[in-house]
Amino acid sequence: DGGITQSPKYLFRKEGQNVTLSCEQNLNHDAMYWYRQDPGQGLRLIYYSQIVNDFQKGDIAEGYSVSREKKESFPLTVTSAQKNPTAFYLCASSPSGQGGYEQYFGPGTRLTVT
Amino acid sequence: GQQVMQIPQYQHVQEGEDFTTYCNSSTTLSNIQWYKQRPGGHPVFLIQLVKSGEVKKQKRLTFQFGEAKKNSSLHITATQTTDVGTYFCKRGGSNYKLTFGKGTLLTVNP
Repeated sequence: DGGITQSPKYLFRKEGQNVTLSCEQNLNHDAMYWYRQDPGQGLRLIYYSQIVNDFQKGDIAEGYSVSREKKESFPLTVTSAQKNPTAFYLCASSPSGQGGYEQYFGPGTRLTVT
Repeated sequence: GQQVMQIPQYQHVQEGEDFTTYCNSSTTLSNIQWYKQRPGGHPVFLIQLVKSGEVKKQKRLTFQFGEAKKNSSLHITATQTTDVGTYFCKRGGSNYKLTFGKGTLLTVNP
């Protein structure tokens, strides 16, 4: 089956801990994205990567970090510096970073930090 | 990039009624995409519009791109309970920031 996987579906952490969210795709897509979704806020871009070993900040990158060492993987670390980390996190990919391509989303990870 | 504005934010309809959501931009768009997110799910691509004045249909869904390429609409005829969810528009272009609208949440009363 081709697609994007995110794990885990639900994640609980204590405040002050870093946590890494997994995102893997076997669609052979060049571009990958991380979004954060809060009620009424739509989808806000955290980081994106157009190609392996390269990534750029999105709208709300503060308190987050990413890596893109392999084409199929784009993990997101939520650091203790992120003030309000509790949210629904969505990973997406597209064939290219150029415009005009649809984005394919993973099922998401719901992170709760207490 | 300027975020596209979606209205309304919420819409509640009786099953069988029509529904329309609008997506507006202050700048000309290269293309516009529409996505649907079911409750508890993830966004799924519906369609992309590229040409000025373009109209595309998918069964009961009609998508339009304005003549000036600054606005778009999604119209659902005779809503069904399966239409429930949040509908997002997404602007195209090389600037990746602020690309998604905030969405319109549609609820349908059976």
